[in-house]
Amino acid sequence: DSGVTQTPKHLITATGQRVTLRCSPRSGDLSVYWYQQSLDQGLQFLIQYYNGEERAKGNILERFSAQQFPDLHSELNLSSLELGDSALYFCASSLNGGYTDTQYFGPGTRLTVL
Amino acid sequence: AQSVAQPEDQVNVAEGNPLTVKCTYSVSGNPYLFWYVQYPNRGLQFLLKYITGDNLVKGSYGFEAEFNKSQTSFHLKKPSALVSDSALYFCAVRDLLNRDDKIIFGKGTRLHILP
Repeated sequence: DSGVTQTPKHLITATGQRVTLRCSPRSGDLSVYWYQQSLDQGLQFLIQYYNGEERAKGNILERFSAQQFPDLHSELNLSSLELGDSALYFCASSLNGGYTDTQYFGPGTRLTVL
Repeated sequence: AQSVAQPEDQVNVAEGNPLTVKCTYSVSGNPYLFWYVQYPNRGLQFLLKYITGDNLVKGSYGFEAEFNKSQTSFHLKKPSALVSDSALYFCAVRDLLNRDDKIIFGKGTRLHILP
């Protein structure tokens, strides 16, 4: 158990809908990362937050947004969902968001868009 | 731009035999290299990382990896495979020179340990 928690475990929704994925980092970690894992694209970095502020952006679509709250938990919002958004979404956390930090991953949220 | 390649989609090894999961990388500067493992229906777990120093890095569960700068490789190894090592393994790289670059994960290699 990495200490990173993600809810919900599974999410089934329809195209065009909006969902929110939640992540709580390990105790003491200030940085949160979001990843999307799909069969065709592999593991793709989406976005990173450090202590409430956006630090780095990856291949995140404009329909997606995220934020990190003062208690350091993070939410990833996915809107206008498409079939291709079906994937596993992972949150990871690290101590300082530093370049050589080890990232610890949560168990993931499996999103199915019908 | 940085990249990482895992040339084998799947590796099959008999239990008790040594195993190697291959990873090669391309960066402009010096690499930071990581190995993660993903068990079914679980998130990725950190195994080991190379930042600097000794080319042989020891990690969790008896795994080790050897950094080879001339061959731009960072292969994951274990002297004696266990059935419980069966999982999906990811190599990842960050470029020391281009700190705006994000961590890049390979496509993953599925390791099957045969009893």
